[in-house]
Amino acid sequence: DTGVSQDPRHKITKRGQNVTFRCDPISEHNRLYWYRQTLGQGPEFLTYFQNEAQLEKSRLLSDRFSAERPKGSFSTLEIQRTEQGDSAMYLCASSLAGQGWNTEAFFGQGTRLTVV
Amino acid sequence: SQQGEEDPQALSIQEGENATMNCSYKTSINNLQWYRQNSGRGLVHLILIRSNEREKHSGRLRVTLDTSKKSSSLLITASRAADTASYFCATSNTQKLVFGQGTRLTINP
Repeated sequence: DTGVSQDPRHKITKRGQNVTFRCDPISEHNRLYWYRQTLGQGPEFLTYFQNEAQLEKSRLLSDRFSAERPKGSFSTLEIQRTEQGDSAMYLCASSLAGQGWNTEAFFGQGTRLTVV
Repeated sequence: SQQGEEDPQALSIQEGENATMNCSYKTSINNLQWYRQNSGRGLVHLILIRSNEREKHSGRLRVTLDTSKKSSSLLITASRAADTASYFCATSNTQKLVFGQGTRLTINP
């Protein structure tokens, strides 16, 4: 499978616990994105990387959220001290950036987080 | 915050009919993309239209873009049960995609 891979697919955690999600993009893709999606809504942008550099972070992201892409390959998204409002689907996408942004993004299947 | 707004929010039609979904946006864009999402799954890219293009076709899909009105439409012809999904428009003007709320399409057999 050469698509975008996310792990785990599902995560149930107690409020106050920390969770970490992993995303493996398509190997030659230099851009990697994280989105959050709640039921009945469109994906909301969280952050993106160009290679290992985190170039933009949404104001939606509180200090409890952190993302890394240490070697410009896979990425991790960590949520500290989870709250019930963090329950959502977390989507990762990757793309091969060329001129501008005229390329499609490939999405993983997502990690569904439930905070109880 | 979402930039695109899809209309209608939900659409239910009979198999074989055409389905039209609309998207409006607020700021200037480099391109506009449409994605499909089956329930509980990731998004699948359908088609990309650049800001200097007015119409694009891909199989049973037809997308139009009117930058003066900041709007786009997605037409699915000869719909099939497998087309049942949520459809999202996404705009790009910098380095990220900004998605709308989506249209939930149901094809009835």
